[in-house]
Amino acid sequence: SQQGEEDPQALSIQEGENATMNCSYKTSINNLQWYRQNSGRGLVHLILIRSNEREKHSGRLRVTLDTSKKSSSLLITASRAADTASYFCATDAVVGTSYGKLTFGQGTILTVHP
Amino acid sequence: DTGVSQDPRHKITKRGQNVTFRCDPISEHNRLYWYRQTLGQGPEFLTYFQNEAQLEKSRLLSDRFSAERPKGSFSTLEIQRTEQGDSAMYLCASSLERAGQFFGPGTRLTVL
Repeated sequence: SQQGEEDPQALSIQEGENATMNCSYKTSINNLQWYRQNSGRGLVHLILIRSNEREKHSGRLRVTLDTSKKSSSLLITASRAADTASYFCATDAVVGTSYGKLTFGQGTILTVHP
Repeated sequence: DTGVSQDPRHKITKRGQNVTFRCDPISEHNRLYWYRQTLGQGPEFLTYFQNEAQLEKSRLLSDRFSAERPKGSFSTLEIQRTEQGDSAMYLCASSLERAGQFFGPGTRLTVL
């Protein structure tokens, strides 16, 4: 089953604009991870945020986590055409000692127009 | 190349045939995961290993599926008596404990 729900399902913006994607989940988590996937390719790990962290930055990426609302957001600033891809959030849920298993959402398809 | 590698990248087979995929993780990673992804969906967890021990299997992993990681290094995923519904991208990932997972390029399986 899909724990993470991304919103929106698709996002189309112009180069230079910011892109914000949201993710909601249902159960308690150890951490939440964001991945990028170009069409037909494997997933690229972008950023991991732990349950005791509220915000994390990596280059043009900013991730927030609100465990009280069970939600996260990914902000890509100053987007580029090369950022065009599908973006997935994935949760590592607290289930006994079964750490590590990721549950993915359906993803947000981001299109950045030059 | 120090990333996760998978072989083959593409596999076309006829229904009823057996197929085997290989995954070579990042060498120092003790955890290895298999996921399956169908078009338009996020990856779904199949199974994972810590070193050579298979610690968890999804209900998606029917008895036609088997995975091994014999020496705690590379892993194989075998599908016996393939069905058209098995057509998907099979992704392998590796990680250290409680760290981000790094994915390979995937093996795209097409069952005719």
